[in-house]
Amino acid sequence: SQQGEEDPQALSIQEGENATMNCSYKTSINNLQWYRQNSGRGLVHLILIRSNEREKHSGRLRVTLDTSKKSSSLLITASRAADTASYFCATDDSWGKLQFGAGTQVVVTP
Amino acid sequence: SQTIHQWPATLVQPVGSPLSLECTVEGTSNPNLYWYRQAAGRGLQLLFYSVGIGQISSEVPQNLSASRPQDRQFILSSKKLLLSDSGFYLCAWSVQGFEQFFGPGTRLTVL
Repeated sequence: SQQGEEDPQALSIQEGENATMNCSYKTSINNLQWYRQNSGRGLVHLILIRSNEREKHSGRLRVTLDTSKKSSSLLITASRAADTASYFCATDDSWGKLQFGAGTQVVVTP
Repeated sequence: SQTIHQWPATLVQPVGSPLSLECTVEGTSNPNLYWYRQAAGRGLQLLFYSVGIGQISSEVPQNLSASRPQDRQFILSSKKLLLSDSGFYLCAWSVQGFEQFFGPGTRLTVL
């Protein structure tokens, strides 16, 4: 079963706008990670946030984590057409195994 | 730098035929290795993971198997493919507790 559930399932925005997607999970975690997947390709790691962290930034990406609500959000600021992809959250257990959500498909139009 | 290779990139196989997908990692030692399957428009399902040579853990009972004959080689196999085995197969490696690095994937179509 999937641990993470992303919301929304799909998101369509215009270049320059911000894109926000959310992830909810069910059990305690060590870390939460966000990945991007371009169509037909492998996943690319974006950012890892540890369970004792609340917010993390990487370039135009901002990730928040609320362990009391078991939720995380990924914000992409000033989106570009190249940000068009599917975005997945993943939680890991003490063995390093990841459980992925079904993803949010983001389309950025010029 | 580390790289991960998967082949073949695409594969079309008849039902009942055998399968062998290979994954190799370069530039790291004793990585954790993973096989995932992704159905169209869905997230990833972990199939197998390995923490060392000959050590394989299966996450989902099915007609697939995995082997790790060398430290940086991970093989996914089947003796007889089913239609439901179609999907996008991804190999990944990690150092435990950190991010996973994914290969380019193999698109398998079983007819």
